[in-house]
Amino acid sequence: NAGVTQTPKFRVLKTGQSMTLLCAQDMNHEYMYWYRQDPGMGLRLIHYSVGEGTTAKGEVPDGYNVSRLKKQNFLLGLESAAPSQTSVYFCASSYSNRVRVDGYTFGSGTRLTVV
Amino acid sequence: AQSVSQHNHHVILSEAASLELGCNYSYGGTVNLFWYVQYPGQHLQLLLKYFSGDPLVKGIKGFEAEFIKSKFSFNLRKPSVQWSDTAEYFCAGILTGGGNKLTFGTGTQLKVEL
Repeated sequence: NAGVTQTPKFRVLKTGQSMTLLCAQDMNHEYMYWYRQDPGMGLRLIHYSVGEGTTAKGEVPDGYNVSRLKKQNFLLGLESAAPSQTSVYFCASSYSNRVRVDGYTFGSGTRLTVV
Repeated sequence: AQSVSQHNHHVILSEAASLELGCNYSYGGTVNLFWYVQYPGQHLQLLLKYFSGDPLVKGIKGFEAEFIKSKFSFNLRKPSVQWSDTAEYFCAGILTGGGNKLTFGTGTQLKVEL
């Protein structure tokens, strides 16, 4: 059971380039989330999804887009990367009826540097 | 907006010292509270959680936390820390009006020295 898998683990982008981060979970979780982690700021929610085909904005959505075409996958896109998007990105997932009891399961993170 | 706050940003302890990390949440009614740990270079792992019932909850690796509703607090404790407890600790909560999304505190970096 792999849990939550994020690819890639590391990436360096030039300003203005685009890329997609992939999150895959094999636990049949309904909810999926993308967070960014920055020093001294904790984890901030970028976008989330409560089911296949649905997405919603979180706390810091600007500059990012997401898609959830399949229940098990949640993609995070950067259309035109900026240095301010240098961060560690974490994907997480949860059951819809268990999130208050169990919290989330996290992926191992993607360290993105934009130069 | 509902929030979770951690006031200790960096803590340095010697092995065998006792640990208490503060966590407060803004009032809003029902809350579900969690502590996560992130070891260097790794993802967040659940340490313990409070859902309901006994306000003193015990987690993995000897950690415990006490939910004190009157103080809006959920402090993390461990009687005797080990070098392997060096990590970043995040308090998080699902707060009233926040849907089913976790709101995280800013984290506390704990360093345990030999």
